[in-house]
Amino acid sequence: DIQMTQSPSSLSASVGDRVTITCQASQDISNYLNWYQQKPGKAPKLLIYDASNLETGVPSRFSGSGSGTDFTFTISSLQPEDIATYYCQQYDNLPLLSITFGGGTKVEIK
Amino acid sequence: QVQLQESGPGLVKPSQTLSLTCTVSGGSISSGDYYWSWIRQPPGKGLEWIGYIYYSGSTYYNPSLKSRVTISVDTSKNQFSLKLSSVTAADTAVYYCARQRRDGYNYPFDYWGQGTLVTVSS
Repeated sequence: DIQMTQSPSSLSASVGDRVTITCQASQDISNYLNWYQQKPGKAPKLLIYDASNLETGVPSRFSGSGSGTDFTFTISSLQPEDIATYYCQQYDNLPLLSITFGGGTKVEIK
Repeated sequence: QVQLQESGPGLVKPSQTLSLTCTVSGGSISSGDYYWSWIRQPPGKGLEWIGYIYYSGSTYYNPSLKSRVTISVDTSKNQFSLKLSSVTAADTAVYYCARQRRDGYNYPFDYWGQGTLVTVSS
């Protein structure tokens, strides 16, 4: 099974700060990597798919990059409404299907 | 706009079977471009994918849960269902149903239900 190591597990930043979260896969997953935002008491929301593609309707301050085993998620200018937990998720179907999430990063305002 | 809604008992006794249904509206579950998944989240913890079903009935389960999971589909009702047998307190979680769309070789979860808390307790 492919393991996803996400860091940090939590962070505190000021409004307007650049925030970066990393996700490392235990093996090469090409760009089959997605990022989600989950606010308290709500379902996760897809923000980024295929490592770097912005989902329709998602603000452009969110971005993603990476391929292979190392991936980065960035909020270019943190806004109060971005307070949430962010998860990476990989999808791989060779040789067997594997879908796993990272442990999550809780983002708070300083 | 696609919507998914989970339904089922919020309390299940240990050793019994957890049963949930997800009703899809605003789109057909029979579209060949999607998988239909169950995901769970224990209180205060991260997300765990349980398994998915295709409209044809083909399924794939998380190996860690495979021996206890059954996912089925009813295309006439635009619903799919989850059964998890022999539950213990460790199965207490918010259970989400979600749609996975085909995007090349990737299948991101693009629509989610609101989630339903299932507690395993006597």
